[in-house]
Amino acid sequence: EPEVTQTPSHQVTQMGQEVILRCVPISNHLYFYWYRQILGQKVEFLVSFYNNEISEKSEIFDDQFSVERPDGSNFTLKIRSTKLEDSAMYFCASSETGGAYEQYFGPGTRLTVT
Amino acid sequence: GESVGLHLPTLSVQEGDNSIINCAYSNSASDYFIWYKQESGKGPQFIIDIRSNMDKRQGQRVTVLLNKTVKHLSLQIAATQPGDSAVYFCAENSIYGQNFVFGPGTRLSVLP
Repeated sequence: EPEVTQTPSHQVTQMGQEVILRCVPISNHLYFYWYRQILGQKVEFLVSFYNNEISEKSEIFDDQFSVERPDGSNFTLKIRSTKLEDSAMYFCASSETGGAYEQYFGPGTRLTVT
Repeated sequence: GESVGLHLPTLSVQEGDNSIINCAYSNSASDYFIWYKQESGKGPQFIIDIRSNMDKRQGQRVTVLLNKTVKHLSLQIAATQPGDSAVYFCAENSIYGQNFVFGPGTRLSVLP
């Protein structure tokens, strides 16, 4: 069964550093998403991406965040200057036609900011 | 001070019994709801969805009930199995939107 993959599984970084979280969506999917889950808290939507542009973003997704599809397979989330409160599990998801019912989530990247 | 994470409510059921997990949603304008399952160390997994023009929808061993009057959603799992042990949470949105609002989740523990 096809799956969404994410790398690294765990990233430790110092406050103020830039991090790039990587995702490889399912190959025929066209819609891509990032979510985050702070330890013990709710999953929160960050951004959705389609046709090489952001289609929707939440209040969390401020100027410190950016997304990119640098090639035909990767989808990245960049945090320019990490803060302690960015520590969370970040999930990538993809879907073929944009329906939430068909979103497939990756296993997540745990980001720890020290 | 240090923020404290949510303490997830836990539902413990005997293997083979039925489970009912509840969720109160917040936005009366929401017209699309999803239940997700999240196993330890994994991303959320779609279980079942329901639109606001329905009050019940059934899948394989799962049923979702929607009560729009009191903004309440429930997930029923029939004949609960050990593999059902996970955190379950609901999410709400407009069917045309992608910015889902997720609930805090309930931990289901299946006892042998």
